Amino acid sequence: GNSVTQMEGPVTLSEEAFLTINCTYTATGYPSLFWYVQYPGEGLQLLLKATKADDKGSNKGFEATYRKETTSFHLEKGSVQVSDSAVYFCALSDSGAGSYQLTFGKGTKLSVIP
Amino acid sequence: DAGVIQSPRHEVTEMGQEVTLRCKPISGHDYLFWYRQTMMRGLELLIYFNNNVPIDDSGMPEDRFSAKMPNASFSTLKIQPSEPRDSAVYFCASSFGTSGSNYNEQFFGPGTRLTVL
Repeated sequence: GNSVTQMEGPVTLSEEAFLTINCTYTATGYPSLFWYVQYPGEGLQLLLKATKADDKGSNKGFEATYRKETTSFHLEKGSVQVSDSAVYFCALSDSGAGSYQLTFGKGTKLSVIP
Repeated sequence: DAGVIQSPRHEVTEMGQEVTLRCKPISGHDYLFWYRQTMMRGLELLIYFNNNVPIDDSGMPEDRFSAKMPNASFSTLKIQPSEPRDSAVYFCASSFGTSGSNYNEQFFGPGTRLTVL
């Protein structure tokens, strides 16, 4: 079956530090990959996506590249801000296998301190 | 677009009471998902619908949980009777599934925080 594994948190960084949150996946087909972000007290919202191998998703300074050879989709940002403090979820959609579900990782909590 | 709408935002009830959570998906979306989020178990998919028909309810924890989607613009998740271990944040999400597409972004509502005393 499909699964997503992301690094355990929490992660605490100082403002302007470099961020990497690792994510690897297992899928039966050719999935689309997503990063969702959840700010305190809110629902999840899509941060970025990639639909095929070697695609790079980017938004708000965050980037992630779909690496089929390593089955990875690591999230990076060059300089984090306090406002980036949130929980980040890696997810995949394997509709090629006939399912329109999203399979989520457990989430990584990021705290950015001034 | 108003996005996915959930009500109530907060619900506090006593053990044994019936709880009904409501969701209005984004207009035109044909998939609707119910999730539960807790600190211990993270984000769990409970059930999802396609064109108002339940497709997979394998995540529904017990017979005390039931979900309906009487039309394309409304769904309910009911817990009867409620128990303290049902305390969680319940999210509704919707998406537009295109046959053959490999991209199905889900849009989440703000969630209902349920506390069962």
